[in-house]
Amino acid sequence: GAGVSQSPSNKVTEKGKDVELRCDPISGHTALYWYRQSLGQGLEFLIYFQGNSAPDKSGLPSDRFSAERTGGSVSTLTIQRTQQEDSAVYLCASSWRGDTQYFGPGTRLTVL
Amino acid sequence: KNEVEQSPQNLTAQEGEFITINCSYSVGISALHWLQQHPGGGIVSLFMLSSGKKKHGRLIATINIPEKHSSLHITASHPRDSAVYICAVPIHYGGSQGNLIFGKGTKLSVKP
Repeated sequence: GAGVSQSPSNKVTEKGKDVELRCDPISGHTALYWYRQSLGQGLEFLIYFQGNSAPDKSGLPSDRFSAERTGGSVSTLTIQRTQQEDSAVYLCASSWRGDTQYFGPGTRLTVL
Repeated sequence: KNEVEQSPQNLTAQEGEFITINCSYSVGISALHWLQQHPGGGIVSLFMLSSGKKKHGRLIATINIPEKHSSLHITASHPRDSAVYICAVPIHYGGSQGNLIFGKGTKLSVKP
């Protein structure tokens, strides 16, 4: 079956613009996660959705970052007024409840 | 807040060698994850374990809960095992499997 997909695969934007990154999880997976990996850095947790529970937003670095998950499926990560330090690969993963996570290919965001 | 240490940071091995990568963490956990990041950037979840040992092919993961330590072993290593291996645990004791903190990774290079 299809794995986790993310779009776009690459996004170049100018400082100050808003961007939206999309994640399509594996069908039936109840949990969805967003992470980011800055150049040469480790993985960093951003936000976690589990079923109908309130999301764990404790990893979002600022109020410019937000995410939603519609209908328990597709998720969108929005970054407002992008800054150069937002440049990173944004990774989405999904799982059945809290089990093994399946990662998408990531979106490489470059803020000029 | 949990802290994760991995060792070694870099590891070069000859094809066929037995490899061990170590991970230690500071706060009690319910489960620990081992991930593999390929040179192209894709991430695959190798193991999620909460006790004892798990084996998948040439990969073996062990965890010692009282000592807050886990190891990932690769038997009969092959150049295709070359990747970055990452350990991850929940950021807080009793925390969800979504809010993970990641080790900095071990970069493995297996020479033919």
